Amino acid sequence: AQTVTQSQPEMSVQEAETVTLSCTYDTSESDYYLFWYKQPPSRQMILVIRQEAYKQQNATENRFSVNFQKAAKSFSLKISDSQLGDAAMYFCAYRSKSSGDKLTFGTGTRLAVRP
Amino acid sequence: NAGVMQNPRHLVRRRGQEARLRCSPMKGHSHVYWYRQLPEEGLKFMVYLQKENIIDESGMPKERFSAEFPKEGPSILRIQQVVRGDSAAYFCASSPGTSGSEQYFGPGTRLTVT
Repeated sequence: AQTVTQSQPEMSVQEAETVTLSCTYDTSESDYYLFWYKQPPSRQMILVIRQEAYKQQNATENRFSVNFQKAAKSFSLKISDSQLGDAAMYFCAYRSKSSGDKLTFGTGTRLAVRP
Repeated sequence: NAGVMQNPRHLVRRRGQEARLRCSPMKGHSHVYWYRQLPEEGLKFMVYLQKENIIDESGMPKERFSAEFPKEGPSILRIQQVVRGDSAAYFCASSPGTSGSEQYFGPGTRLTVT
């Protein structure tokens, strides 16, 4: 079974600075999807960024980018130029391509942004 | 195009009562997923349904929990004889079901069992 581990329960960043959130996962599959979701206090789950395992190029969405290290099974999220609105819980998630569409989530990292 | 809708947003039930949570997928989406989030935890997969079919229920507790997605109307997650441990946020997500398609989440239903 796949597992997703987020080893940082809480992180803090100064506004306008850069922060990196860590995520590792365990799988025996070679092709899959990885995601980062943001959950603000409203509790709405918002997709931040996704990565397909067969694509070597790291995904980027504006201020958000990932460092995908397939051999190390690592999928970290970098937030540049942090803004107050980035404060939220961030969840890393895995989805198999071959054994169903369910998402497997990590336990989350709570990000605080200091003004 | 309205997003995924869930109702009610908040539900309070006494121990032993039944809870019914509803999810209306996005227009054009025929696949629905239910997840549960316990306090201070990540989301855990419960069940995956297509219209009139349960595709994967590997995350559903064996007793008291059931789900359906009828041909017409919303998907329903039913919890019978609720206990305090059922208190959680229940999220529904939908997708069109094509390969690689995203899951779009609803705002969740927060269930409190007193």
